[in-house]
Amino acid sequence: AQSVTQLDSQVPVFEEAPVELRCNYSSSVSVYLFWYVQYPNQGLQLLLKYLSGSTLVESINGFEAEFNKSQTSFHLRKPSVHISDTAEYFCAVHLPRGGYQKVTFGTGTKLQVIP
Amino acid sequence: DTEVTQTPKHLVMGMTNKKSLKCEQHMGHRAMYWYKQKAKKPPELMFVYSYEKLSINESVPSRFSPECPNSSLLNLHLHALQPEDSALYLCASSQGITGGPGELFFGEGSRLTVL
Repeated sequence: AQSVTQLDSQVPVFEEAPVELRCNYSSSVSVYLFWYVQYPNQGLQLLLKYLSGSTLVESINGFEAEFNKSQTSFHLRKPSVHISDTAEYFCAVHLPRGGYQKVTFGTGTKLQVIP
Repeated sequence: DTEVTQTPKHLVMGMTNKKSLKCEQHMGHRAMYWYKQKAKKPPELMFVYSYEKLSINESVPSRFSPECPNSSLLNLHLHALQPEDSALYLCASSQGITGGPGELFFGEGSRLTVL
């Protein structure tokens, strides 16, 4: 069974400051880790993912996450946030099940960027 | 075309009404999902269709009835709902059998209010 823990429900941060959103997981099998972002009144969209290879993965808008197997973590970071980054962020574990994906979401972290 | 389109965006219905939510994708994806999302919560899986066959029903009450007429369309028929069923209903899709993990593509959701 898989589980995902996001300990911080809300993270307020000033504009242009760095931020880290924490994600820890547990799984009895190989893990595929994803971060999704949900802007207000929208659906979720993929931010970045770790499948294999380099443990540091990056998104096109400046976010990065590092897979740490020993600490079972996949924390999301950005060195300088913008107002437009205000959103809900969900960490997720994907388990391929033949013809579909079994996805376990964390409880989410609301990033509030303060001007 | 990387879109999942959901209609309607907003729906208000009484407890005796019958209505339907619709979802469409043209990415050739063979897995389609219905999720329910309450405020400040992660998406909660309701149903999964894989290759037009129902693969998962997460013990959803029978007042919700899914239908997958073809590989591009997914419907959710609603009947005799309760006020606690008010939520954002998200449709998602992913590739079929790929041998590995794949991202979920989400629509913007249908916001349902049951009076």
